Formats: sequence, structure tokens, C-alpha cells
Amino acid sequence: KAGVTQTPRYLIKTRGQQVTLSCSPISGHRSVSWYQQTPGQGLQFLFEYFSETQRNKGNFPGRFSGRQFSNSRSEMNVSTLELGDSALYLCASSATQGATEAFFGQGTRLTVV
Amino acid sequence: QKEVEQDPGPLSVPEGAIVSLNCTYSNSAFQYFMWYRQYSRKGPELLMYTYSSGNKEDGRFTAQVDKSSKYISLFIRDSQPSDSATYLCAMARSAGNNRKLIWGLGTSLAVNP
Repeated sequence: KAGVTQTPRYLIKTRGQQVTLSCSPISGHRSVSWYQQTPGQGLQFLFEYFSETQRNKGNFPGRFSGRQFSNSRSEMNVSTLELGDSALYLCASSATQGATEAFFGQGTRLTVV
Repeated sequence: QKEVEQDPGPLSVPEGAIVSLNCTYSNSAFQYFMWYRQYSRKGPELLMYTYSSGNKEDGRFTAQVDKSSKYISLFIRDSQPSDSATYLCAMARSAGNNRKLIWGLGTSLAVNP
């Protein structure tokens, strides 16, 4: 069965721009979580969506937002990009909300210049 | 002080060695403990999952949790070059709707043939 698909794999954006990242979870999975991974901070939780509703949120500014569609696909948006937003953005798919086992995609490497 | 501390390494061992990877944590409310493996340019994949204290074994991998010392370990027996990766520990207070994984920074492991 197909794994978690994230697109695009790589992105280069300029400060002040906005960006949208996409995640298609494993077929049948209804929960999608987003993480930011940087060398200094490691993996940090952004938010979790289940049944098109945001269920949990991490400590990130409002520039970071997301949504989930009826087919469970999710998008994450970052507005007014800052240099510090450069990171690997990972999406994790789970069968149910709060499930301990999560399956990660390969991530989107975002570079802000 | 971070809630979860993990030595980033790098750790370099010869093939066949026993590897010990560790994390310490400060929050006694953590109940769920996980180890993920992340290869370069890939997302993390779940290796081991343990609830509360005790040991769990899966093939060459053993996970240990010592809640009294707030210390968890992952042992890899007969290490192989294919085990070369970054190993991340993760913890959660609950598995329900408010589950948020708290991550260590990861330990980079190189197994040399």
C-alpha cells in the first residue's frame, strides 16, 4: 500500500513570500500531523488534523496554518516567510486521532533566502 | 532545559558491536515511549514502542524504560552498516486526543564495515 506522499520535495522561497505544502496520507488514515525539523530544535509539532478539523496545535505563530480535506489530504501554509522557517517539514499519517503509531512522509525541504 | 535530552553523537562503532542509545526526560507524566529511525533524506520510521516501564525486544532491538530514573534506552545487537541512521526518541503523556509527541534531537549512528 502506498505510503505518505509529500509534495514538493524541495522548495526555495524568498523572505516575505508564502508557501503551501501538501501531504497525502496512507489510504484509510484520517489523521495528519505536521512537524518542523531543524538541526538545532529537532522535531517540533505544528498541528494535527482529523476529520477536517484541527485537533491539536503546537507553539508556532499564526503564520503557520493548515487544513484538511474530505479525502484526508492536508495542506500546510506558511505566510510571510522568514529565514528561520528554513527546515524540513514532515507530515505524519495515523489511522485515528492520537494514535501512537505514526507513518512519516519523506518531507519537504524548504529553504528561505 | 529541554523536556527530552538526547546526546546527538555522532556515534561510530564497528560492525557487530552492541550499540546503546539513550534519552533522559524531566516530565514524570510521560507514559508512552518510542524510538524512531531516520535515514538521510527520509522521514522517521517507528522502530519500538513501549508503554510505561519495562523492556521490549524485537529482533536485534531492545527498548528499556526506567521511569524511576527518567531514562530510556535502545540497544542494537550485532549492529550492521544498514543500521547507520539517526535515532530519535519520542514521548507522550497520553495516547488520547491530546497526545503530543515530544522529541529528542536524535543521535547520529555510523556502523562501519
